[in-house]
Amino acid sequence: DVKVTQSSRYLVKRTGEKVFLECVQDMDHENMFWYRQDPGLGLRLIYFSYDVKMKEKGDIPEGYSVSREKKERFSLILESASTNQTSMYLCASRTGEGQPQHFGDGTRLSIL
Amino acid sequence: GENVEQHPSTLSVQEGDSAVIKCTYSDSASNYFPWYKQELGKRPQLIIDIRSNVGEKKDQRIAVTLNKTAKHFSLHITETQPEDSAVYFCAARVNSGYSTLTFGKGTMLLVSP
Repeated sequence: DVKVTQSSRYLVKRTGEKVFLECVQDMDHENMFWYRQDPGLGLRLIYFSYDVKMKEKGDIPEGYSVSREKKERFSLILESASTNQTSMYLCASRTGEGQPQHFGDGTRLSIL
Repeated sequence: GENVEQHPSTLSVQEGDSAVIKCTYSDSASNYFPWYKQELGKRPQLIIDIRSNVGEKKDQRIAVTLNKTAKHFSLHITETQPEDSAVYFCAARVNSGYSTLTFGKGTMLLVSP
């Protein structure tokens, strides 16, 4: 069974802090994704990565960056956290093109 | 880019009834349409998907239909049970460049005993 693990289920940070959200998958998947989920807005793609060291902007990349130094790990970085980044963050991975995405349990991030 | 509209936003049914959730998409190049179920506090999980070369796919009580001409696809759940209560998301993938998914806003399905 595919395992996508997000480092924290709940996280509370302060405005202006640099925040790191970590995601690890154990199935040697090529592609990894970060979404944020907000009530009434569904899942919106922030960034994705097709391979190590590679990253592409999704639909809402502003205020975020990512890092993929190793194939199994994809990190989402909030450079200077703001209250409008309070949300549920979901990581996903997949084998490759045309394959289904598998999600982690999510990190509920609160910025105070 | 792709735009996916999902209706209704909430749906209440009695146990044993059928439930239908509809999605429309904008990009005729979309060729893969998955459906995810997210129970309260849990991760979204793929329940069924369909590709553009198929008009209908069924898996036990769940079926998905695709109308490429009208650019819409639907999820059908028959003989609903309380454990079907969840938020359901449709998505569409455009097969050009980097093939990412665009999700609908979700439908909260409540099945009452």
